[in-house]
Amino acid sequence: QQQVKQSPQSLIVQKGGISIINCAYENTAFDYFPWYQQFPGKGPALLIAIRPDVSEKKEGRFTISFNKSAKQFSLHIMDSQPGDSATYFCAGKAAGNKLTFGGGTRVLVKP
Amino acid sequence: KAGVTQTPRYLIKTRGQQVTLSCSPISGHRSVSWYQQTPGQGLQFLFEYFSETQRNKGNFPGRFSGRQFSNSRSEMNVSTLELGDSALYLCASSLIGSYEQYFGPGTRLTVT
Repeated sequence: QQQVKQSPQSLIVQKGGISIINCAYENTAFDYFPWYQQFPGKGPALLIAIRPDVSEKKEGRFTISFNKSAKQFSLHIMDSQPGDSATYFCAGKAAGNKLTFGGGTRVLVKP
Repeated sequence: KAGVTQTPRYLIKTRGQQVTLSCSPISGHRSVSWYQQTPGQGLQFLFEYFSETQRNKGNFPGRFSGRQFSNSRSEMNVSTLELGDSALYLCASSLIGSYEQYFGPGTRLTVT
């Protein structure tokens, strides 16, 4: 059972544009929703995270929007740069530190 | 502060063999989790250890096992390797009471 559905699988954006990645979850026990960025040959790096009692969190060019009633959350990357080209994963955390990940979105920022 | 380290970084094994992977968490982190990453299944949770005790386990067969030592370092073992075990195995550590998990670079296991 895929508990976190992520879309799109890939996206191409021009430099300076906005990248938007969406995730939907099923498990209402999730109490923490992180986003990870992964470059080829590297492990995932924690980018930004949100708790379900907050509707939005912004850190620099990265913003998470969270809709608890719809069980959806999204990542917005403002002013996208070529260095942002990577694969992004959303996740939900339930019991302990168990993370359930979405399928990933490959982002390509064209100069 | 040094990040999560994993050894070895690359490994090639033959079907039927067993393998042990090692993870050293960030200093002060006592919780260690393991994940398997494959192109087909994505990132999947294997297990989590805290204070040398397994706190959580994912849906993997008993061939996958792990342990944690008193210094918080962790190892995972896969016995009777199958071709489908080829994957990037990732270790993540976190502080007790913190939800933030930090991943290592992974061990790339290839089973032939």
